[in-house]
Amino acid sequence: EVQLVESGGGLVQPGGSLRLSCAASGFTFSTYWMHWVRQVPGKGLVWVSRINSGGSSTSYADSVKGQFTISRDNAKNTLYLQMNSLRAEDTAVYYCAREGKVAAGVVSYYYMDVWGKGTTVTVSS
Amino acid sequence: DIQMTQSPSSLSASIGDRVTITCRASQSVSSYLNWYQQKPGKAPNLLIYAASSLQSGVPSRFSGSGSGTDFTLTISSLQPEDFATYYCQQTYSTQWTFGPGTTVNIK
Repeated sequence: EVQLVESGGGLVQPGGSLRLSCAASGFTFSTYWMHWVRQVPGKGLVWVSRINSGGSSTSYADSVKGQFTISRDNAKNTLYLQMNSLRAEDTAVYYCAREGKVAAGVVSYYYMDVWGKGTTVTVSS
Repeated sequence: DIQMTQSPSSLSASIGDRVTITCRASQSVSSYLNWYQQKPGKAPNLLIYAASSLQSGVPSRFSGSGSGTDFTLTISSLQPEDFATYYCQQTYSTQWTFGPGTTVNIK
């Protein structure tokens, strides 16, 4: 079964750090690009970051650039999100998601086809 | 970055109704547009990718259309399990963005 399981969430004080993990199983993790998405309870989805299959290329939302770092360990089938200098507005459920791709002629389209159940991060004193 | 808007923000409908949700991008995203369904306490679920392609396992009552800046998600005959929040997403730019969501409520 294709599965993503997030962990590492919890309560952290403002200014603190946290590292989230996302364990992948049931598919060849090393061949897929991966994402982090967050959602404040009761609010909408916000894309956070993306990493290519080999881990050499990353991109971030402006709101977390310089604060969060995405990485992966393909030997361990695990995706990470290092979060530093945390603020109250970083409080959210954090999802990892697999990037799917379909080729249509010379063009490829991308989407998130597998999601984890999420891990909750609460930034509060 | 590319901003996404959705309308309406919420709607009330009855079982069997035809429901249409609109998504607009602040600039052209070609057909790099996906739709997701999310139920309370659950992760999102991919419904439509590339603007109009139905994801495997998704009921055929869901359909998507549009290109450029204007897109539509249609549920042809609303079923009890379709009451949820729906998000569009663009994957045209390096920074992907979601729309704010449309909540479909029971009338």
